[in-house]
Order: sequence, then structure tokens, then C-alpha cells
Amino acid sequence: GAVVSQHPSWVICKSGTSVKIECRSLDFQATTMFWYRQFPKQSLMLMATSNEGSKATYEQGVEKDKFLINHASLTLSTLTVTSAHPEDSSFYICSARAPRGTGELFFGEGSRLTVL
Amino acid sequence: GESVGLHLPTLSVQEGDNSIINCAYSNSASDYFIWYKQESGKGPQFIIDIRSNMDKRQGQRVTVLLNKTVKHLSLQIAATQPGDSAVYFCAERRGNMLTFGGGTRLMVKP
Repeated sequence: GAVVSQHPSWVICKSGTSVKIECRSLDFQATTMFWYRQFPKQSLMLMATSNEGSKATYEQGVEKDKFLINHASLTLSTLTVTSAHPEDSSFYICSARAPRGTGELFFGEGSRLTVL
Repeated sequence: GESVGLHLPTLSVQEGDNSIINCAYSNSASDYFIWYKQESGKGPQFIIDIRSNMDKRQGQRVTVLLNKTVKHLSLQIAATQPGDSAVYFCAERRGNMLTFGGGTRLMVKP
């Protein structure tokens, strides 16, 4: 199946640091990617839909100035957590829709953010 | 609002037994359902899907059943193995939106 890669897998940073997480579709083009946040022992919560070449669509309650999304190419979307604080510590996961409209979503391995 | 949810947060089964994980959904407009498996510290992994015009779909050791009358979705795993231990999420799709249920942790006892 299609492969989605995230980097970094885990990042630890000091409070106030901005952290960028990359999501790449390795063997297919993805015009739409999705960013999720997952707290321990909880389900995935959709944060935003990333659209190539246009602004991301954010879910209600998600601060767009806090979580900057850039989808500059058909294979790369980035999520930047600006001025991260301990409450931003979480598992961030991206996904991309399979090509040819099958509807299946392929997920990255996730990026764990720990803010000290 | 309408949502997808799960009946049991944790399911413990003996190795070799069959597992059944249940999911209730409330939005009749959803046309596509998916089961995902998530191991600790990893991203979700696609297991099997089913469209709303189907009642049953079988994969390798897994079967998904869809009961639209009662808005219920289930995942059956045959001959459960230790490697099946994970959290399982159901998800429903409406248009471009995929909404996840709360997850069920499957624990396989040797």
C-alpha cells in the first residue's frame, strides 16, 4: 500500500520553542492530507485538513495561529507548533488519502511531542 | 452532535479464541466505515473497510459486519494471536471527513 512518513518520530523541546513536523507521501501524490492529535489512551482528534496550494481548513477549537500548516507540494505537508507549551505535548499523526479515489486513508507513524 | 462510539473500552481474550469488537454509529449519512489497529506509539494501521451498501466483508482472519438498521459495526478476529494486541478504532466517513470512535483495547492472553 501507499506509504506516509512522518519526521521526527519524537521531539523533546523547551517551552517556547516552535516545532515543525513533516508528513510526506512517499510513493504517491496527495492533494489532501489530514492532521490529528492524540492524547494518551484517547482517540484521534482531527485538527485540520491540509490542502495543497491553499490554506488549511481547521476544526472548531483548533488555533490556526498556534498550529501552522503548510502544504507546499503534492508530497509534503508540515505542521508547526508555534511557541510550544507543556499542554501541547501530544502524539501528532498525519494521514493522506489513497490515490485513485479508493477512499482509504494511509497514516504516518506519528510524531510524539514532549514540551518541558 | 452525531458521533461514532464503542461499547467496550477493553477486551481480554485467550489466544486462539475469536474476538469481537463493537462500534455504534449514529449518522445514517455515513457511507463508508473503516477499522484501524493502533499499536503503542505507532500510527493507525488500516485493517478492513466496508461500504454502506454491504452487510459483511471478509479479509484475512478478520470480518467486518455492518447492521444499518441498528447502526452497529463490528470487527471479528478469528484465532486471535498475541500480535493482535492493540487498540482498535472504528471510523466513519462522511464526504471528506473521517471521524474516529473512542477505541477498544484488545488484550490477548497466552
